[in-house]
Amino acid sequence: EAGVAQSPRYKIIEKRQSVAFWCNPISGHATLYWYQQILGQGPKLLIQFQNNGVVDDSQLPKDRFSAERLKGVDSTLKIQPAKLEDSAVYLCASSRFGGGSYNEQFFGPGTRLTVL
Amino acid sequence: KQEVTQIPAALSVPEGENLVLNCSFTDSAIYNLQWFRQDPGKGLTSLLLIQSSQREQTSGRLNASLDKSSGRSTLYIAASQPGDSATYLCAVVNSGYALNFGKGTSLLVTP
Repeated sequence: EAGVAQSPRYKIIEKRQSVAFWCNPISGHATLYWYQQILGQGPKLLIQFQNNGVVDDSQLPKDRFSAERLKGVDSTLKIQPAKLEDSAVYLCASSRFGGGSYNEQFFGPGTRLTVL
Repeated sequence: KQEVTQIPAALSVPEGENLVLNCSFTDSAIYNLQWFRQDPGKGLTSLLLIQSSQREQTSGRLNASLDKSSGRSTLYIAASQPGDSATYLCAVVNSGYALNFGKGTSLLVTP
């Protein structure tokens, strides 16, 4: 079974530029998550999708971040315009279910973003 | 708001030692707890998931325990190897279904 795929793996941009990240979850997984991991910290949830719908985007900086999940499969996370503090690793994860005690999340390799 | 704390922040041990990593959380109303491993520049690899009704899970040389009432979990690694060197992250799921992570324990196993 293929894992969670993400691209690009690395991205360097200047502040105020825009950037987009792509994620393809494990086949059949209904729920998709985007996490932001700043150096030295644990990942923090940005947005959670179940199929096409948004379940939780309370920690997404909506003035600059946006995300969509087309047809309940692939997802794109966009930042526009980027700030220096957006430098982080952006992790995509997926799980078969939306919740419950048996709901295991699987992570992709991440995209390392550097904003200069 | 759920707070997850991992102690110690860093640990260095000689090869062959058994070791324990600690995780504590403030809200005991969790659905499950997951332990992850993260290698430098890589994503997270799921090691063990303990459901809220379970007390422990084992996989190879790894054993994770959960005491929900006291808000604690431990990850026991037996006979450590240099290949175990990585950051170990603990995360819990509450009603929101997203993982709440600690900051991790950075483990170095020296030959």
